[in-house]
Amino acid sequence: NAGVTQTPKFQVLKTGQSMTLQCAQDMNHEYMSWYRQDPGMGLRLIHYSVGAGITDQGEVPNGYNVSRSTTEDFPLRLLSAAPSQTSVYFCASSHQGENNSPLHFGNGTRLTVT
Amino acid sequence: GQNIDQPTEMTATEGAIVQINCTYQTSGFNGLFWYQQHAGEAPTFLSYNVLDGLEEKGRFSSFLSRSKGYSYLLLKELQMKDSASYLCAVTDSNYQLIWGAGTKLIIKP
Repeated sequence: NAGVTQTPKFQVLKTGQSMTLQCAQDMNHEYMSWYRQDPGMGLRLIHYSVGAGITDQGEVPNGYNVSRSTTEDFPLRLLSAAPSQTSVYFCASSHQGENNSPLHFGNGTRLTVT
Repeated sequence: GQNIDQPTEMTATEGAIVQINCTYQTSGFNGLFWYQQHAGEAPTFLSYNVLDGLEEKGRFSSFLSRSKGYSYLLLKELQMKDSASYLCAVTDSNYQLIWGAGTKLIIKP
């Protein structure tokens, strides 16, 4: 099992550019999510999905889109990058419906927007 | 609002014991997680508490008091590889995870 695979590892964008962060998991997890991590702050939820075809907004969804066409994949799209989106992004998955099911994280994407 | 407080940074000596505290104020409670995150890496799961008391896993233990909105992570026989950030996260009444900013633990020889 590869777990949660996230690409790319690093990315530099210019303001206004768009891009997609890829996330795939092979654990048959129903729940998938995207977080951003900024210095001095807790992880903040961007979007999440409880199953294929279902997505919902988290705490900081503006400027990001997601889709969940399959159980395995949950890409995150930045529509028009802004310097405020400079951050480390983590994709995470877990079993749905189990309160004690921990999140499994991808290795992260370090995004810099200039 | 919902809030989780952890110390920003702690320092301890190799071989010693350290306790990392976490206090929370959330709308409801459905469990508390501790994660470890080495610099430049992803968080990894350490422990889960939903009932009051102590959960022990080898060198690591986690304690919960729901009435006090308080948890701690206890690390014994510290090793250099324990240098990392430790993240506390609470599941609220809507089953959403609320994250603390993390405690950076520095281990000195």
